[in-house]
Amino acid sequence: EVQLVESGGGLVKPGGSLRLSCAASGFTFSSYSMKWVRQAPGKGLEWVSSISSTSSYIYHADSVRGRFTISRDNAKNSLFLQMNSLRAEDTAVYYCARAPLGAFWYLDSWGQGTLVTVSS
Amino acid sequence: QSALTQPASVSGSPGQSITISCTGTSSDIGGYNLVSWYQQHPGKAPKLMIYEGTKRPSGISDRFSGSKSGNTASLTISGLQAEDEADYHCCSYAGSTTLVFGGGTKLTVL
Repeated sequence: EVQLVESGGGLVKPGGSLRLSCAASGFTFSSYSMKWVRQAPGKGLEWVSSISSTSSYIYHADSVRGRFTISRDNAKNSLFLQMNSLRAEDTAVYYCARAPLGAFWYLDSWGQGTLVTVSS
Repeated sequence: QSALTQPASVSGSPGQSITISCTGTSSDIGGYNLVSWYQQHPGKAPKLMIYEGTKRPSGISDRFSGSKSGNTASLTISGLQAEDEADYHCCSYAGSTTLVFGGGTKLTVL
């Protein structure tokens, strides 16, 4: 069974930093592209970042480019999101999600999410 | 990238059919047959219901179907059931490896 478990969320002050982690199991993590998607309270979903299976390709949404960095450790079956210079508008539940083999335009498995709150 | 446009809410009675629309532009929905739909119950993770516009993942009921016309995609749920009550999110590929989502639609089963 595919499992994605996020951790690392919490309360942080504006301008602060946080590192999210996503532990993957139940599939060959190193073969799959992965993404972070967030959902602000009461709002829709927003794609944040993508990373290819070997980390050769990395993309970030305009809203986070230059502040967030996605990375992965295939030996540890883990996905990360380093978030710097956090703003109030970054407050959201952050989900890690898997793109199916050979496709990056949809997400076939999602974690339960971790809440990030940016507030003074 | 602007978000796709979905109605905030739709409702239907058990057994009826409902359709949720998702409107974008020629740069996303209209330019690709790569729309996906996700179901999200309160406090839960999103679940893939439709991909590549019309395809259902294994295990998803055939009561769920997807379609597209021009810059608008649609999700139809037939034979509404109480457990279908949830939020539904559309998503489209928008070029340059980016994805754009809609604002979500709350489905109420009366």
